[in-house]
Amino acid sequence: GAVVSQHPSWVICKSGTSVKIECRSLDFQATTMFWYRQFPKQSLMLMATSNEGSKATYEQGVEKDKFLINHASLTLSTLTVTSAHPEDSSFYICSATRSNQPQHFGDGTRLSIL
Amino acid sequence: DAKTTQPNSMESNEEEPVHLPCNHSTISGTDYIHWYRQLPSQGPEYVIHGLTSNVNNRMASLAIAEDRKSSTLILHRATLRDAAVYYCICTQGGSEKLVFGKGTKLTVNP
Repeated sequence: GAVVSQHPSWVICKSGTSVKIECRSLDFQATTMFWYRQFPKQSLMLMATSNEGSKATYEQGVEKDKFLINHASLTLSTLTVTSAHPEDSSFYICSATRSNQPQHFGDGTRLSIL
Repeated sequence: DAKTTQPNSMESNEEEPVHLPCNHSTISGTDYIHWYRQLPSQGPEYVIHGLTSNVNNRMASLAIAEDRKSSTLILHRATLRDAAVYYCICTQGGSEKLVFGKGTKLTVNP
């Protein structure tokens, strides 16, 4: 099946720093990538939808200036959590898809802010 | 997107079939029914999807009620590796956005 790679798989950093998470589709060109966040014992929450070459569409309540999304190519999207604080600690997951195909998910990035 | 209702949890024994139900009574005629599963500490994994007819693939079968207000994901022989949270999601025709509910946590007993 299609492979989506997410990096890093986990990161610990100090409050106030910015953290970049990469999402790559390794064997197909993804027209659309999605970013989700999942808190412990909760379901996935969609943060934003990203189409290659255009601005991301953010879900209600998600701050676009805090969670910067760049989708520069058909195989790479990045999520930057700017000025991260402990409440941003979560499991961040990306997915990639093309032309109404099923979404293929990365294995997630566990972010811990001290 | 149509709201889905699933049991919070189910249990099964290894090598027995598992039927995971999902109600989607407000589904519209163009909504697709998707199933994904999430193993602990991993991203979700696509299982199967359908529109009106029953669907089979190497992982599972999807049985869709004639009125499309409910569906059942069938794992023909459960293994320990099938223990996961299973999500049933309906999407608007042509929309790729997935809205995850709480899903069903499946426990498989050896």
